[in-house]
Amino acid sequence: SSELTQSLSVSVALGQTARITCGGNNIGSKNVHWYQQKTGQAPVLVIYRDSNRPSGIPERFSGSNSGNTATLTISRAQAGDEADYYCQVWDSRTVVFGGGTKVTVL
Amino acid sequence: QVTLRESGPALVKPTQTLTLTCTFSGFSLSTSAMCVSWIRQPPGRALEWLARIDWDDDKFYNTSLKTRLSISKDISKNQVVLTMTNMDPVDTATYYCARSIYYYGSGRYTNYFDYWGQGTLVTVSS
Repeated sequence: SSELTQSLSVSVALGQTARITCGGNNIGSKNVHWYQQKTGQAPVLVIYRDSNRPSGIPERFSGSNSGNTATLTISRAQAGDEADYYCQVWDSRTVVFGGGTKVTVL
Repeated sequence: QVTLRESGPALVKPTQTLTLTCTFSGFSLSTSAMCVSWIRQPPGRALEWLARIDWDDDKFYNTSLKTRLSISKDISKNQVVLTMTNMDPVDTATYYCARSIYYYGSGRYTNYFDYWGQGTLVTVSS
């Protein structure tokens, strides 16, 4: 099954753009999903099937997926976006999560 | 309104069997395409998927833990039960249950978690 690689941490200035990547062999051939997890809380789905936003998720969150990299982009970052972010795929009859990226808003 | 809630012991001893129950509402596991998974997260670490059961009673397991896991459902009670045998201190984690939907489109099959329970912390210690 897939292995998904995420950077440990990303820092972004308030109001700027953060990009969180998820690397995997030919990940572009799979659907990638993204979760936000704030401290002490359960994860929340923020992007599904590469680029779709669930109801209630701000348009500032967007996703793309091609080749060996999927990307979650947070535009106009806010203090409330500070969290851990996880990518996820379904592959070979199992769910695979990335190792998570901690996003800090400066 | 979809909700899920995990329940089970907060503390188990090494070598014991853990039994967790996920009680849900707002959907039925007898409805086509509905699935429920268990996912865990050791303190300060990443999410790890454990197992999934589908509306048609198909079951999927984490390859590394397969020999220790069993998942089942009770449609009448709207519950999914996970058992994990031979518990060890490294199994200390918050255990979540989450709903997903079987999706097939554009030649791809996928599964993602749209609703999660709040999680339950299980500590393994003598």
